[in-house]
Amino acid sequence: GENVEQHPSTLSVQEGDSAVIKCTYSDSASNYFPWYKQELGKGPQLIIDIRSNVGEKKDQRIAVTLNKTAKHFSLHITETQPEDSAVYFCAASIGNNDMRFGAGTRLTVKP
Amino acid sequence: NAGVTQTPKFQVLKTGQSMTLQCAQDMNHEYMSWYRQDPGMGLRLIHYSVGAGITDQGEVPNGYNVSRSTTEDFPLRLLSAAPSQTSVYFCASSYSVYASEQYFGPGTRLTVT
Repeated sequence: GENVEQHPSTLSVQEGDSAVIKCTYSDSASNYFPWYKQELGKGPQLIIDIRSNVGEKKDQRIAVTLNKTAKHFSLHITETQPEDSAVYFCAASIGNNDMRFGAGTRLTVKP
Repeated sequence: NAGVTQTPKFQVLKTGQSMTLQCAQDMNHEYMSWYRQDPGMGLRLIHYSVGAGITDQGEVPNGYNVSRSTTEDFPLRLLSAAPSQTSVYFCASSYSVYASEQYFGPGTRLTVT
């Protein structure tokens, strides 16, 4: 079936450094790629998303890039802060209504 | 707005018991969905609905039933609980019936013994 691979599973960075998380997807028809942040004991919350007609999107310290030819997309967080520590999930749309999520990346930002 | 609410927050069941996980949203969203979250596996879609009276299966629907009688509510029923259904369950809703931002509830942690 269709799936999304996410790497790395854990990532530790020093405060102020950048963090990059990468995902690949298998369905060439996927056209919506969100990134969610999940803090301990809470539900996931959207932090940024991108559609297939755009190659890059930026929102302050967060950016997402998409390469449809290679079927991969990445999350970039610059100037990381301790409050960025959380689990991050990528996802890709399947058809009109279905979503496939990656397994998650646990990001730790050390002060 | 309360957003997406889920009850209960925690539940312990014995194998074979049935129960209903409740989900409600007050944002007038057409799309609602149920996910389960297991360690190392991300979120997997169980069932979804694109409006009242319309439901469909996701990636892992076996052992679960849903119905959507109103726009606001989307309960998830476990007919005969099994240990493999031990998980954290999240309900989510979205304004658009097409792939777009989903708003997640706080989750229900279910343990089946």
